[in-house]
Amino acid sequence: GQQVMQIPQYQHVQEGEDFTTYCNSSTTLSNIQWYKQRPGGHPVFLIQLVKSGEVKKQKRLTFQFGEAKKNSSLHITATQTTDVGTYFCAGSSVYNFNKFYFGSGTKLNVKP
Amino acid sequence: NAGVTQTPKFRVLKTGQSMTLLCAQDMNHEYMYWYRQDPGMGLRLIHYSVGEGTTAKGEVPDGYNVSRLKKQNFLLGLESAAPSQTSVYFCASSYPRSDPPNTGELFFGEGSRLTVL
Repeated sequence: GQQVMQIPQYQHVQEGEDFTTYCNSSTTLSNIQWYKQRPGGHPVFLIQLVKSGEVKKQKRLTFQFGEAKKNSSLHITATQTTDVGTYFCAGSSVYNFNKFYFGSGTKLNVKP
Repeated sequence: NAGVTQTPKFRVLKTGQSMTLLCAQDMNHEYMYWYRQDPGMGLRLIHYSVGEGTTAKGEVPDGYNVSRLKKQNFLLGLESAAPSQTSVYFCASSYPRSDPPNTGELFFGEGSRLTVL
């Protein structure tokens, strides 16, 4: 079945350093979404990518969708303590775009 | 606008007991989902629904049943709870997008923490 793998599992950075998390799928994705979950909270939507090679930016966050629509990345420039949380990617396949599979998440800790 | 509401928020069960988790959304969304979240494993899809009266299996459906009798509600049932079902359960809803055909963002509830002793 479809799997969405996400690395790294944990990342500890000093405030001001950059951070990147990567997602890879075993099958071609219809779209990929990124979510942020604060400790004790629920996942909150960040962005959706649907086009091959798409790049979107939200302030210090840059999201990319691979040309083959099998991988994606989230890059945060100059992290801040407010960036702390777990970042998840979620993808759905071209055969069933209703069914979303989540990566295992990357837990980001930012030291002030 | 409440969004997605889950009840109860916390529950402790004994092995073998049954219970139902209720998810209600007020956004008129077509799609609804039940996920479970365990430490280090992300969110795993249990069951989902693409419309009133329809349900489908996700990655980990065993031990759970669901029903979507009304568009705004999605119920998750545990007929005979087991300790392995101790988890945080999240409900989510979404809507269809076009150009190209796709699914929109998932709106999550606050979660329901279930402990099975």
